[in-house]
Amino acid sequence: DAGVIQSPRHEVTEMGQEVTLRCKPISGHNSLFWYRQTMMRGLELLIYFNNNVPIDDSGMPEDRFSAKMPNASFSTLKIQPSEPRDSAVYFCASSSKSLNQPQHFGDGTRLSIL
Amino acid sequence: GESVGLHLPTLSVQEGDNSIINCAYSNSASDYFIWYKQESGKGPQFIIDIRSNMDKRQGQRVTVLLNKTVKHLSLQIAATQPGDSAVYFCAEGGGDFTGGGNKLTFGTGTQLKVEL
Repeated sequence: DAGVIQSPRHEVTEMGQEVTLRCKPISGHNSLFWYRQTMMRGLELLIYFNNNVPIDDSGMPEDRFSAKMPNASFSTLKIQPSEPRDSAVYFCASSSKSLNQPQHFGDGTRLSIL
Repeated sequence: GESVGLHLPTLSVQEGDNSIINCAYSNSASDYFIWYKQESGKGPQFIIDIRSNMDKRQGQRVTVLLNKTVKHLSLQIAATQPGDSAVYFCAEGGGDFTGGGNKLTFGTGTQLKVEL
């Protein structure tokens, strides 16, 4: 079975540019999570969706970050404008709707803002 | 100013020995716990989970122990192999499902190094 698929795997861009990260969750999962991982702060939850609806976006750093889930099989995380401090690995994870089920992670997007 | 990264505790073991990785969780209302393994350049990979109505659960070469009294979780790896070298994270969840979705809170991780 296909796992969580993220694209691109690597992104290098100049500050001020718009960055869009993409995620395809595991088919049948209806919860989707976006995380950011850095050496400074570890793994941080940014936002999560349940049935395509954002449930908790309290982890989103600031208004430059936005996330959408237009359908059950696709989500985007957008940064506009990007800044060097946004450099990190961004992970997407999904889980089924049943209580107490593990999240399954993609392999992440390594983002470098110059 | 000087930037300071997270200091991951490191556990070094000899190949073939057993490894024990410990985790203290924070929320006494949590009722679901997971161990993840993260190799370099990859996302966290699910290893094993346990619900709060259990004290112990075994998988292939791995055992998770839960002590709710002191809010402690451990992962035991039998006959540790070089391929077990990775960062291991514990995560807690449950307790509040009102928003829907299986939200997890992750620990900072432990680096396991297997020496030949």
